[in-house]
Amino acid sequence: DAGVIQSPRHEVTEMGQEVTLRCKPISGHDYLFWYRQTMMRGLELLIYFNNNVPIDDSGMPEDRFSAKMPNASFSTLKIQPSEPRDSAVYFCASIRTTSYNEQFFGPGTRLTVL
Amino acid sequence: AQSVTQLDSQVPVFEEAPVELRCNYSSSVSVYLFWYVQYPNQGLQLLLKYLSGSTLVESINGFEAEFNKSQTSFHLRKPSVHISDTAEYFCAVRVIKAAGNKLTFGGGTRVLVKP
Repeated sequence: DAGVIQSPRHEVTEMGQEVTLRCKPISGHDYLFWYRQTMMRGLELLIYFNNNVPIDDSGMPEDRFSAKMPNASFSTLKIQPSEPRDSAVYFCASIRTTSYNEQFFGPGTRLTVL
Repeated sequence: AQSVTQLDSQVPVFEEAPVELRCNYSSSVSVYLFWYVQYPNQGLQLLLKYLSGSTLVESINGFEAEFNKSQTSFHLRKPSVHISDTAEYFCAVRVIKAAGNKLTFGGGTRVLVKP
C-alpha cells in the first residue's frame, strides 16, 4: 500500500488567495484526520471524518477553513482567503477502527502564505 | 478532557549515550498511550504503544516505554542512541471508551544526537 498521500507537498501563495490541500487515505481506513503543525502551537487536530462524515470540527480555526470528504478515498482542506498566520505544515492521517488505534500519517503539505 | 505534557522541548545527547523523554498525562478515565516519531520533513510514525498487559513496551529499534498508572506517566527510553535517532518525539493518549479514535498529543521533544 502506498500509505497516506498528500498533495501538494509544498505550497506558496499570497495572502487572500484560496488554497486547497488534498489527501488520499489508506484504502479501507474509515477515519480521516486533518492536523496543523506549527512551532508555536505544536500539533493541532483540525477536523476528523468517520465514513466520510465530519464528526468533530471544533479544531477548525475559523470560517475561512473548510474540509470535505466526498468519498472514502479523497478529502480536501480549503482555506479561503488565506492569511500569513495560516503558514504551517498540514498533515492528513487515517486509521482503520480495528487496527488498535494506530494513525497513519501522510508526509504533510508545507504551506507558506506571503 | 485529557492533556499530555512533555516536560522537555529539546534534549541534546551524545551518540551511544542513554536518553529519556518524559511524558505525563492527565485523564479521569483509562487511556491508551502512544509514542510517535517525526524525522525531518516527514510525517509522524508510530514508535510504540501501550494498550494493555505488560506495562513495559518495546519498539523494534531499541526504544522502550513504561506505563506508570500511579504517576500517570509513559516515559520513553533508549540505552544507547544513534545519530539516526535525531528526530522529534510525540507522546499521545486516546481515551479507551471514547468514540472517534481521537489522539491528544503532547508538545513534542526534539532529540539531537551529537557525534
